[in-house]
Order: sequence, then C-alpha cells, then structure tokens
Amino acid sequence: DIQMTQSPSSLSASVGDRVTITCRASQSINTYLNWYQQKPGKAPKLLIYAAFILQSGVPSRFSGSGSGTDFTLTISSLQPEDFATYYCQQNYSFMYSFGQGTNLEIK
Amino acid sequence: QITLKESGPTLVKPTQTLTLTCTFSGFSLSSSGEAIGWIRQPPGKALEWLALIYWNDDKRFSPSLQRRLTITKDTSDNQVVLTMTNMDPVDTATYYCAHSNMSPGTFDIWGQGTMVTVSS
Repeated sequence: DIQMTQSPSSLSASVGDRVTITCRASQSINTYLNWYQQKPGKAPKLLIYAAFILQSGVPSRFSGSGSGTDFTLTISSLQPEDFATYYCQQNYSFMYSFGQGTNLEIK
Repeated sequence: QITLKESGPTLVKPTQTLTLTCTFSGFSLSSSGEAIGWIRQPPGKALEWLALIYWNDDKRFSPSLQRRLTITKDTSDNQVVLTMTNMDPVDTATYYCAHSNMSPGTFDIWGQGTMVTVSS
C-alpha cells in the first residue's frame, strides 16, 4: 500500500498570506497526485490533478508541484474562501489513497 | 453538466448489509474511459477510497475492504450500486460517489454524500 502523509496537519494563516502544504508518498508515484479542497459539510472539490494541472475553474492562486515522492500545494495569496481542509491523493496505484488532510484555519 | 447523487439508508444495524445507489447524469458509463468510484469519510476523519467501476465493467476495491464490497452498474438506468456486508459501528461515515475519467482514480465531480450510521 502507498501511504500519503501531509504536513502540517493544521495551519493558521491570515488573508493575503502565502501558504504551502506538503504531501509525501511512501514510494514514488511519478506525478499521479491530486489535491482536493473540502469545506465543512460539503463534498471535496478537485483543485489540481497530475501534480500541477489546475482543474478548470480553479483560481490561479492555487498551484501544485513535485514528482516522485514529494509534492506541494501552494496558495499564493489566501482569500477568505480558501479556509478549508485540503487532501492529497495518489492515483498511481489503484489503492487511490488519500492523505490525512490539512486543516487551514484563519489566524 | 455531470451530476451524481447518493441514496440509501441513513441507519443500519451491526452485521447488516448496506446498499447504496449512485444515480448520475451528464455522461454515459458505457463510454470509454468513464468510471465511478465510492469514497467514505467517518465524522471528523479523512477520506477513504472504497471501490471503482469502469465503463468496461472492470472493478477495483480497497484491499482492506475487498471481501465485504460489491460494485455493479446499470448503464440503462445510469446507476451504480455499492454493497458492503457485515456493517460495524466503525463503518459510520458519509459515503460519496464520484466521477472519474481524466485519469483513473482522479475524481473530478462528486455527489453530495449520504450519511450512514451503524447502530443497534
């Protein structure tokens, strides 16, 4: 099984801050890495797929990078609507495992 | 526009079998590359992928739950059904179905989710 580990588990930041969330895979997954945003009581929303490709309609302040085992999600300038929980997910192997999530809170 | 909606019981008893239906629109599950997956989320916890069914009826399951899961599709009714046997209180969660076609296991459109509680 491929384990996905996110850091930090929680993060406090202010509107306008630049924020980076990291995700590490237990083995190489090439660029088979997706990022999702989830707000309380809502279904997850796909933000980035294949490590760095922005899903249609997602603001350009979101970006992804990385390959192999180490990946990052960056929000260049936090907006009020960005406070949510973020999950990484690998689709390299059919286990399609998710990270444990990063809760982004308002400072 | 692709939409998905989950339906099923909100409460099941321990040892019972859970049957959930995902009703979708906006695409055909008989078209090459299309797939639907199921993902669950216990209250306050992370997402867990359960199963995936492809347009060609190929199926994939979480190894830890494989012996308890069945997934089927009805392309004429635009539905996918997930069954999970021997339900336990730890299976209490919101269950989501989601669309996948850009890359297997990338879920671009999700249903709203349905909360299932396992309790006697």
